[in-house]
Amino acid sequence: GAVVSQHPSRVICKSGTSVKIECRSLDFQATTMFWYRQFPKQSLMLMATSNEGSKATYEQGVEKDKFLINHASLTLSTLTVTSAHPEDSSFYICSASTGLLQETQYFGPGTRLLVL
Amino acid sequence: AQSVTQLGSHVSVSEGALVLLRCNYSSSVPPYLFWYVQYPNQGLQLLLKYTSAATLVKGINGFEAEFKKSETSFHLTKPSAHMSDAAEYFCAVRADTGGFKTIFGAGTRLFVKA
Repeated sequence: GAVVSQHPSRVICKSGTSVKIECRSLDFQATTMFWYRQFPKQSLMLMATSNEGSKATYEQGVEKDKFLINHASLTLSTLTVTSAHPEDSSFYICSASTGLLQETQYFGPGTRLLVL
Repeated sequence: AQSVTQLGSHVSVSEGALVLLRCNYSSSVPPYLFWYVQYPNQGLQLLLKYTSAATLVKGINGFEAEFKKSETSFHLTKPSAHMSDAAEYFCAVRADTGGFKTIFGAGTRLFVKA
C-alpha cells in the first residue's frame, strides 16, 4: 500500500525558533498533500492544501506567514513553523493523495511538536 | 458545505460484543465517506470508504459500514470486538463543492473491556 512518512516524529524546540517538518510519499507520486493539526483529544483540523509546484491554499484562520508550506516535488512537502511559540505545540499530520478525484488520502504518522 | 457528527465521544464495549460507532453527515452533493482509525501518537489508517458504489462497505479488521442516504448516516460496525480495536475512530466526509476537502468528525474513543 501507499506509504507516507514524516520527519521528525517528534521535536522539542525553544520559543522563537523555526521548525521544519517533512512529509514524503515513499512509493507513489502525490499530486496533492494536506497538512493537519490535531490538539489533544480533538479531531484533525485542515491547515492547508498544497499542490506540487504551486502555492498552498490555507484554511481560514491559518497564518500563511506563520506556517510556511512548500511542495517542491511530487514526493515531498514541507511545513515550517516560523518563530514557534508554546501555543504552536501540537500534533501535525500530513496526508497525500493522487489522482483526479483525490478520494483516498494516505496519512503520515504525525509529528509531535513541543515548544518550550 | 459538508459536516460530520459523531455521536458519542466515548464508547465502551466488552470483548466479543458488537461495536457500533455512529456517524451522521451533511452534504449538499453526493459525498465520499470514510472511517479512519488512530492509535496513540500515530497517524490515521483508513478502515473503509464509500464512493457511491455498494452501500454496504467492508473494510479491514472485520469492520463494515452502511451508507443510508435517507438517514444521512454511515455507522461503523464490527460483530465482535477485540482488545486491539481500542483506539480513536474518525468519520470523515469528502465532497466536490468547488474543491475537494475532507472534513473530520470529532472522533469516538473506543474502549474494549476484557
